[in-house]
Amino acid sequence: DTGVSQNPRHKITKRGQNVTFRCDPISEHNRLYWYRQTLGQGPEFLTYFQNEAQLEKSRLLSDRFSAERPKGSFSTLEIQRTEQGDSAMYLCASSPRQSGANVLTFGAGSRLTVL
Amino acid sequence: GESVGLHLPTLSVQEGDNSIINCAYSNSASDYFIWYKQESGKGPQFIIDIRSNMDKRQGQRVTVLLNKTVKHLSLQIAATQPGDSAVYFCAETEAGGYQKVTFGTGTKLQVIP
Repeated sequence: DTGVSQNPRHKITKRGQNVTFRCDPISEHNRLYWYRQTLGQGPEFLTYFQNEAQLEKSRLLSDRFSAERPKGSFSTLEIQRTEQGDSAMYLCASSPRQSGANVLTFGAGSRLTVL
Repeated sequence: GESVGLHLPTLSVQEGDNSIINCAYSNSASDYFIWYKQESGKGPQFIIDIRSNMDKRQGQRVTVLLNKTVKHLSLQIAATQPGDSAVYFCAETEAGGYQKVTFGTGTKLQVIP
């Protein structure tokens, strides 16, 4: 296992199109997170999965956004009817359930550009 | 790749000098504080963490200091190297629940050779 993998790395789309990003976490990690990062800002929390259950969604996640984690393994983040304001880096992270600090391992991100 | 450092506070340090990056937090309920390093085109990478019942923790060339009285966190990097050039984020998490990690505003560290 080489870490958290995200695909595609870059996506350019026209406004109104749908896009889907995939995240493959570290295999033994049962926690999976999606974050969004815009230029010059820290990552903003979007949603969290523990195994296949989506336990928390940020107010940032409008109804155009949907995330799934079937079977508690990989996850997908879909954005429908994209808007220019959706342009950002979408980061996926995973962590094991353990005591102590929740140390996230991030993927390299999927950069979305909406024209 | 596109930099994530635009519009961020920037700290320029001569190679070999020590760097100090500061962070203020607001959540008194935070139980752990974590520093992440983000290089251009990459996701954030864990550096070091500290629990709220500690005031100092040391790693390899890095030290984190926590002052809960003024809600201030700092990251000290000894003998700064060109490879340390990146954006540094502090993050906090509460104990219990699913421990959502909340990131603060980053600081861009530029190491001058």
